[in-house]
Amino acid sequence: DVKVTQSSRYLVKRTGEKVFLECVQDMDHENMFWYRQDPGLGLRLIYFSYDVKMKEKGDIPEGYSVSREKKERFSLILESASTNQTSMYLCASSLGAGSGYEQYFGPGTRLTVT
Amino acid sequence: GENVEQHPSTLSVQEGDSAVIKCTYSDSASNYFPWYKQELGKRPQLIIDIRSNVGEKKDQRIAVTLNKTAKHFSLHITETQPEDSAVYFCAAMDLVDTGFQKLVFGTGTRLLVSP
Repeated sequence: DVKVTQSSRYLVKRTGEKVFLECVQDMDHENMFWYRQDPGLGLRLIYFSYDVKMKEKGDIPEGYSVSREKKERFSLILESASTNQTSMYLCASSLGAGSGYEQYFGPGTRLTVT
Repeated sequence: GENVEQHPSTLSVQEGDSAVIKCTYSDSASNYFPWYKQELGKRPQLIIDIRSNVGEKKDQRIAVTLNKTAKHFSLHITETQPEDSAVYFCAAMDLVDTGFQKLVFGTGTRLLVSP
């Protein structure tokens, strides 16, 4: 049974703070993803990683960075949090590259920036 | 890049009725189309998917159809039950410049099944 866990379910931060969101998967998956979910906008890809220390920008990377030092862990970093980054953040992982690989999602982190 | 549009945004049906959710995509090179279900307060989970070499796929009460010419695909749920109430997301695979592939999701459909 694939398990994707995220470090926090709820997080409240102040504008300008540096924020770290962590994601861990236990199935030796190659690919990991960070999405944000907003009402009416669906799931939008921020960054993804297909290997350790490798990263690719998604559709909305501005204001975010990522780190993948170990295969099982993928971190999302908000260098200077802003109120427009208040959102639900979902991490996902998949076995391989290419089409047809199911993405397994974490429970999500609801981040509020005040 | 790929663009996916999903309709309707909300759908209310009576238990036992059928529900249909439609998505269109823009990139004719896309070859994989999954559907994810997200129950309230839970994570999205894959419920069915289809590849571009297949026109239809069924799994019990759910089915997905794909029309490559028109670039649209649909999710069909028959004999709906209250536990089908959730947000459903369609997605299409997009090829990025570096050769890797990522999913582009639709904006979601909130399905409400009333007893």
